[in-house]
Amino acid sequence: AQRVTQPEKLLSVFKGAPVELKCNYSYSGSPELFWYVQYSRQRLQLLLRHISRESIKGFTADLNKGETSFHLKKPFAQEEDSAMYYCALSSLTGNQFYFGTGTSLTVIP
Amino acid sequence: EADIYQTPRYLVIGTGKKITLECSQTMGHDKMYWYQQDPGMELHLIHYSYGVNSTEKGDLSSESTVSRIRTEHFPLTLESARPSHTSQYLCASSQTGTSSYNEQFFGPGTRLTVL
Repeated sequence: AQRVTQPEKLLSVFKGAPVELKCNYSYSGSPELFWYVQYSRQRLQLLLRHISRESIKGFTADLNKGETSFHLKKPFAQEEDSAMYYCALSSLTGNQFYFGTGTSLTVIP
Repeated sequence: EADIYQTPRYLVIGTGKKITLECSQTMGHDKMYWYQQDPGMELHLIHYSYGVNSTEKGDLSSESTVSRIRTEHFPLTLESARPSHTSQYLCASSQTGTSSYNEQFFGPGTRLTVL
């Protein structure tokens, strides 16, 4: 069963425009949700996690348990935001970890 | 410097060969993971380990095997490589019971091609 769904493989926005990368999940119990990012020629790295409730590089994500979503948002996209973004889900114990298929974001100058 | 190392970074090998993908971490983490990723597809967890002498299979069935004899080392072995094993393999680690609970740190990956 698909645990994490990212409906958009590719997303292009203009610099300064708002951006939203969608993520929906399916999991019984209380998962922990993450967004990972992979910049060109760099490793996959954590961007943010729902437990921290923090804003990283201007990005925020709110866990909506009713809609089982964890969309990533930024009000004003920058060129350096161009990257591959993966939504991920973990059980609270960390012994189950699922990644989405990723969304490639391109910010057009 | 604390890091996760994977070798080789690229490997092209013929069918039937035995290969071992190396993963070492100097992060001091107890948990380690192996993921398989095909182009444009999600990462699939194939093996994980909670500590020395502890290994489990992940969500995706894999013909590979792993071992965890030392905390910092988590090699993955394919006894007889086949073209279907062509993929990118990512190693990751995490530490239980810290403020970064469940955060995984990734290595640079090994891109395997089996001819």
